[in-house]
Amino acid sequence: AQRVTQPEKLLSVFKGAPVELKCNYSYSGSPELFWYVQYSRQRLQLLLRHISRESIKGFTADLNKGETSFHLKKPFAQEEDSAMYYCALGGNAGGTSYGKLTFGQGTILTVHP
Amino acid sequence: DTAVSQTPKYLVTQMGNDKSIKCEQNLGHDTMYWYKQDSKKFLKIMFSYNNKELIINETVPNRFSPKSPDKAHLNLHINSLELGDSAVYFCASSQYLGGRNEQFFGPGTRLTVL
Repeated sequence: AQRVTQPEKLLSVFKGAPVELKCNYSYSGSPELFWYVQYSRQRLQLLLRHISRESIKGFTADLNKGETSFHLKKPFAQEEDSAMYYCALGGNAGGTSYGKLTFGQGTILTVHP
Repeated sequence: DTAVSQTPKYLVTQMGNDKSIKCEQNLGHDTMYWYKQDSKKFLKIMFSYNNKELIINETVPNRFSPKSPDKAHLNLHINSLELGDSAVYFCASSQYLGGRNEQFFGPGTRLTVL
């Protein structure tokens, strides 16, 4: 079964401080991992996907298969980063997991001035 | 040029009523989804359609019936609404080709059942 755990429901930092949002997953196949962000009362937007290994808005995330983690990091948080962040695990094509995204519980990040 | 749109944005109704939420995507994607976000912001998939065919049907009460008239549309009809159905419902779409599963979300429909 697919499972995603985000242990922190709330995370508060000050502007300019480093931030790390934790995500651990459980999946028997080859995982496909994403970070989505939801700003206040807006739609979910894709922030990062592990296969592209890119940096968006200063955020990076590295897939660690040994620790089954996909933590999201940013060295210097900004106030506009305040939002809900979801880690998501995608299933493989075929079978009942086709196209399915399993989301973690979400972490609300608040960046104080 | 909205990619994934949903109507209505807000829906307030009485218990026992039947209501529908519509979703349309203009991205040319072949797969569409419905997700439910509850009051604790937990997001869970309900249904997935690929080329108008039901692919994923999570343990959702049969009062919920999705319908896909074509691959650009996925509507959600809910019968006999209950208080627990109050939530934000998100539609999403993706082009599931080559193992990439990047999903694009609609703005959400906030359903309140009184």
